[in-house]
Amino acid sequence: SAVISQKPSRDICQRGTSLTIQCQVDSQVTMMFWYRQQPGQSLTLIATANQGSEATYESGFVIDKFPISRPNLTFSTLTVSNLSPEDSSIYLCSAALVSYNEQFFGPGTRLTVL
Amino acid sequence: GENVEQHPSTLSVQEGDSAVIKCTYSDSASNYFPWYKQELGKRPQLIIDIRSNVGEKKDQRIAVTLNKTAKHFSLHITETQPEDSAVYFCAASASGTASKLTFGTGTRLQVTL
Repeated sequence: SAVISQKPSRDICQRGTSLTIQCQVDSQVTMMFWYRQQPGQSLTLIATANQGSEATYESGFVIDKFPISRPNLTFSTLTVSNLSPEDSSIYLCSAALVSYNEQFFGPGTRLTVL
Repeated sequence: GENVEQHPSTLSVQEGDSAVIKCTYSDSASNYFPWYKQELGKRPQLIIDIRSNVGEKKDQRIAVTLNKTAKHFSLHITETQPEDSAVYFCAASASGTASKLTFGTGTRLQVTL
């Protein structure tokens, strides 16, 4: 399995600002993903982070609001832009190796927007 | 796209009893079905998974069954313990290689003494 870390673990932000979340994996992985989990809810995929190219976004999520970078096989960032209280949620990254389907999750970033 | 339904949304069992959580999926191309356990404030943890070429898989007190014809799969926990209390999510993936997961809505399992 892969060990995944995220920074920050939590943050409180003002409306209209942005937050960038970092995800670091301890080994080279093929796939990295970003999810959102609202309180008491399931996980919703935001996008697949593609190394060296634009992320692939799911329906309802757009690059202007959730820009994603993945400069190499072990690191990715998610920015949540122009924050509103509705963006308050937990954001999780996950990673998987190409040889297996197993996805492992980071500890999550709890975002509160005031 | 894939749609995964999960039942029940909450489940309360007495310690030592068995718990069963059921999921159905819509995409017949799905061939990988993991189960995650999420304790309060923690990350989802992969506890068991099954691929479409097998019908059942067991790991100690946990087992998963898959019925491809009916497009449903189930998690079985035997001899439940208080530490099994958590939210459980099923998921489905429609690719033979590492691919995006579609999650069910979750089941909150409470094991009472």
